[in-house]
Amino acid sequence: QKEVEQDPGPLSVPEGAIVSLNCTYSNSAFQYFMWYRQYSRKGPELLMYTYSSGNKEDGRFTAQVDKSSKYISLFIRDSQPSDSATYLCAMSGGTSYGKLTFGQGTILTVHP
Amino acid sequence: DSGVTQTPKHLITATGQRVTLRCSPRSGDLSVYWYQQSLDQGLQFLIHYYNGEERAKGNILERFSAQQFPDLHSELNLSSLELGDSALYFCASSVGSRQETQYFGPGTRLLVL
Repeated sequence: QKEVEQDPGPLSVPEGAIVSLNCTYSNSAFQYFMWYRQYSRKGPELLMYTYSSGNKEDGRFTAQVDKSSKYISLFIRDSQPSDSATYLCAMSGGTSYGKLTFGQGTILTVHP
Repeated sequence: DSGVTQTPKHLITATGQRVTLRCSPRSGDLSVYWYQQSLDQGLQFLIHYYNGEERAKGNILERFSAQQFPDLHSELNLSSLELGDSALYFCASSVGSRQETQYFGPGTRLLVL
């Protein structure tokens, strides 16, 4: 079983919808949680960075971390066609200094 | 643009050959990380260097090696290439060596024929 599980989708939503992306993990040492966005043939781009449990909001994006359930989420409000990309969750912590463990990525398409 | 540069963008080579991928971190970043992205394995951590010293190794094959030079750029050497080594190779950088935000370069797409 992988340390980080992420539904690969694909996920297709209409413009303006609220998108919910999720990851679960098994390593209780993870304390740092990130969401990256990757457009086709590009490098991952950091969207959100969260330490420990709680919520963080940045514009249309909200990241939630529930360490008790080992579950993290990314919500995208008022989704736009330009949000169409692969979204990757990533985590680190404990003895894995600097090493990011990624989910498989969810492919999102927002259609006009 | 993350500020991390990688060369070359594309590389096509034959099985058994050796290639070198290059990465320049963002200005001021001391850490360089290498990742491999393939369709079946996703993004996998390979190795981490901080200020010239190896700090962590992940799922890196013995045929692969890396180093970070005094000017902080890094090279990933892949030898005795196999078809299965075809993948995207990303470099990322961060300021320190622990848990900091990592910024990714545009990647090198390697195709082994």
